[in-house]
Amino acid sequence: EAGVAQSPRYKIIEKRQSVAFWCNPISGHATLYWYQQILGQGPKLLIQFQNNGVVDDSQLPKDRFSAERLKGVDSTLKIQPAKLEDSAVYLCASSLAAGSYEQYFGPGTRLTVT
Amino acid sequence: SQQGEEDPQALSIQEGENATMNCSYKTSINNLQWYRQNSGRGLVHLILIRSNEREKHSGRLRVTLDTSKKSSSLLITASRAADTASYFCATDATDYGQNFVFGPGTRLSVLP
Repeated sequence: EAGVAQSPRYKIIEKRQSVAFWCNPISGHATLYWYQQILGQGPKLLIQFQNNGVVDDSQLPKDRFSAERLKGVDSTLKIQPAKLEDSAVYLCASSLAAGSYEQYFGPGTRLTVT
Repeated sequence: SQQGEEDPQALSIQEGENATMNCSYKTSINNLQWYRQNSGRGLVHLILIRSNEREKHSGRLRVTLDTSKKSSSLLITASRAADTASYFCATDATDYGQNFVFGPGTRLSVLP
């Protein structure tokens, strides 16, 4: 079974630039999550999708972050404009459904904002 | 402060010893999960324990849950160098107004 795919693996941008991350979840997984993990901290949930609908985006900085999951499969997370404090690893995860199901994580995208 | 907080923040043991990590949380939960993260890699699910369960085992892992104390523990028996990683607890409190929350993690070092 193929795992969660993410690209790119690394990205370096200057502040005020924009960046986009892509995630392809495990086939058949209805729920998709985006997390931000700052060095030395646990992952912080940014947004959760159930199929192509948003379940929870309460911690997404909506003035600069946006995410979509067209057709309920792949997802993109965008930051525009980026700030220095956005430097982190962005993790995508998927699960069969929301609730009591384990999440499968991708390798993450390490973003450095200079 | 966070919903889930692990204790200790860092733990160093010798191979063959047991490692115990604790997690405390604040709200009622649906379930609690433990994940492992090796340096520079994604997270791997270890075990899920539901709010009506008290103990679960998986290989060398033993997880307990005490909902009255709002705490959980992860025990790794007979540790190996390959167990060196960060361990996170994550709480699902969807039915209680709070979604999935990870703690800051415990960094475990197993010395050969």
